[in-house]
Amino acid sequence: GQNIDQPTEMTATEGAIVQINCTYQTSGFNGLFWYQQHAGEAPTFLSYNVLDGLEEKGRFSSFLSRSKGYSYLLLKELQMKDSASYLCAVMDSNYQLIWGAGTKLIIKP
Amino acid sequence: GAVVSQHPSRVICKSGTSVKIECRSLDFQATTMFWYRQFPKKSLMLMATSNEGSKATYEQGVEKDKFLINHASLTLSTLTVTSAHPEDSSFYICSARDVVSGGDTDTQYFGPGTRLTVL
Repeated sequence: GQNIDQPTEMTATEGAIVQINCTYQTSGFNGLFWYQQHAGEAPTFLSYNVLDGLEEKGRFSSFLSRSKGYSYLLLKELQMKDSASYLCAVMDSNYQLIWGAGTKLIIKP
Repeated sequence: GAVVSQHPSRVICKSGTSVKIECRSLDFQATTMFWYRQFPKKSLMLMATSNEGSKATYEQGVEKDKFLINHASLTLSTLTVTSAHPEDSSFYICSARDVVSGGDTDTQYFGPGTRLTVL
């Protein structure tokens, strides 16, 4: 079956760095997405990786290893507003999105 | 974990026809479901919030007469794109909100999406 795994919850300190991992097993691969979702709001697109490697976008970076079925989202210089759920989703060979359950990130002062 | 399904996964239709997309929560009851549209740059736009037994709440700029939403049961919401045009071609994603009795857990589960192509 198809499966996306990411930690349920993580806690980090303001100003620090946190890495949210996502592992996947899907039938085919057409890219991996990371979204940020604050409670009661629609998800906000963060990144899309289809090739191996690291993509940096400001304080957020996303890494992909297709051979390992692994991605991570790296958040630097954490701010209180970064407290949110982070969703990992993979598009499979049928261009269907397989979603992870989301990682709730709690930032403490 | 909870699963949300969508049907069909992809559909091609002629301009002017109507297309219905179903969103089902498979192992939980969802009083609230959401409909999103994914744009080419991957962002998700919330189109409307669907509440079981009542009218959907549409976001600003979304035509309610064009995108008909029905949430007739606790496990099913439908989005009907009426008189479809090529510009309606997109990837439509639904999500369902699982609120465990007592309010301790409030999680949104996303469907796999439906790719609509209007010729």
